[in-house]
Amino acid sequence: TQLLEQSPQFLSIQEGENLTVYCNSSSVFSSLQWYRQEPGEGPVLLVTVVTGGEVKKLKRLTFQFGDARKDSSLHITAAQPGDTGLYLCAGRLGAGANNLFFGTGTRLTVIP
Amino acid sequence: SQTIHQWPATLVQPVGSPLSLECTVEGTSNPNLYWYRQAAGRGLQLLFYSVGIGQISSEVPQNLSASRPQDRQFILSSKKLLLSDSGFYLCAWSTVAINTGELFFGEGSRLTVL
Repeated sequence: TQLLEQSPQFLSIQEGENLTVYCNSSSVFSSLQWYRQEPGEGPVLLVTVVTGGEVKKLKRLTFQFGDARKDSSLHITAAQPGDTGLYLCAGRLGAGANNLFFGTGTRLTVIP
Repeated sequence: SQTIHQWPATLVQPVGSPLSLECTVEGTSNPNLYWYRQAAGRGLQLLFYSVGIGQISSEVPQNLSASRPQDRQFILSSKKLLLSDSGFYLCAWSTVAINTGELFFGEGSRLTVL
């Protein structure tokens, strides 16, 4: 079973539209990370959220950590073709080298 | 600044042949090191991790093995590849000093077993 479920799995939108990606679990995480991965490359860290209810903004991207630290969302405003990629959330279940669990991924395509 | 490199970037191997993927990290000491496999642009499956030289932990039983001969070197190997070993392999490092433990990934190695 997958610890973190992301939705939607695939998303294709027109340039300029807004979108939200969800990352949900029944587990409580000490922190949650979002990564973006482009085809043929490794994932790149976008943000880490630590506190329940925390909101972080990275230009047109807004990340929110749920109050109970079980879920997170990524909202993109006025999407651009450069936002195209695979978005991965990853939750950390406390300390330890092997306590980071990745979500199922959301593949976003922004059409010019 | 820290950098991570893995190679080769692309590999096509016949079934039954050996495999060696190498990963090195620069600019940091005593990192945690990881090997992940990614299937068809989806989420990541942790294969191995290492918290120090010679210390390897395996997350899933498989045809692969890992070694850490030096502090900043991590190698993924197989004696005899299977068709099911095909995939995109990613090496990553994290620092023990930060509780949030963000991962920094290499460029990836695409393995096709024929």
